[in-house]
Amino acid sequence: EAQVTQNPRYLITVTGKKLTVTCSQNMNHEYMSWYRQDPGLGLRQIYYSMNVEVTDKGDVPEGYKVSRKEKRNFPLILESPSPNQTSLYFCASSFSGLPPDGYTFGSGTRLTVV
Amino acid sequence: EDKVVQSPLSLVVHEGDTVTLNCSYEVTNFRSLLWYKQEKKAPTFLFMLTSSGIEKKSGRLSSILDKKELFSILNITATQTGDSAVYLCAVFSTNAGKSTFGDGTTLTVKP
Repeated sequence: EAQVTQNPRYLITVTGKKLTVTCSQNMNHEYMSWYRQDPGLGLRQIYYSMNVEVTDKGDVPEGYKVSRKEKRNFPLILESPSPNQTSLYFCASSFSGLPPDGYTFGSGTRLTVV
Repeated sequence: EDKVVQSPLSLVVHEGDTVTLNCSYEVTNFRSLLWYKQEKKAPTFLFMLTSSGIEKKSGRLSSILDKKELFSILNITATQTGDSAVYLCAVFSTNAGKSTFGDGTTLTVKP
């Protein structure tokens, strides 16, 4: 089944403890992107990647890192999480990153930083 | 900075009503506008609009884009409780990979 898989689905952590949220797609998509969604707000783009070893900042990259060492994986790294990074995170992928290629979204990761 | 504004922020209607959701945008190098439906999980794709004045329809949902006035509307006729969701508008620029989402409209349809 074609899908984007995020792990974990839920995570509670403490301030300053490094964490990684994984994202993997099995559709051979070149484009992948990370978003965060806060209550009452739409999706805000954190980072995106047009292809292996190519990453770019979105609108809210501060406090996050990403890597794209292989096409299928695009992990989101929080080196020193803070409470303002408590949010719902979505990973998405598509063939090119440009419509009409539709995005396939992962199921989301709900992160709480205490 | 690219900007997408949706209105209203929330809306409560009764089954059978018709609703119109609005999305206005200011985007450098506009390419496409997409509508998504989100029901407590990942967004699902509804429509993509690229050209002005061409209505897209899918069942009771329809959408149209006005590139001169920089807005789009999403219409839902004969609403059902299953239409209750957050509706997101997103604009994609020609800068490959860059997208900007609005804050969404929360629609609640009461029986």
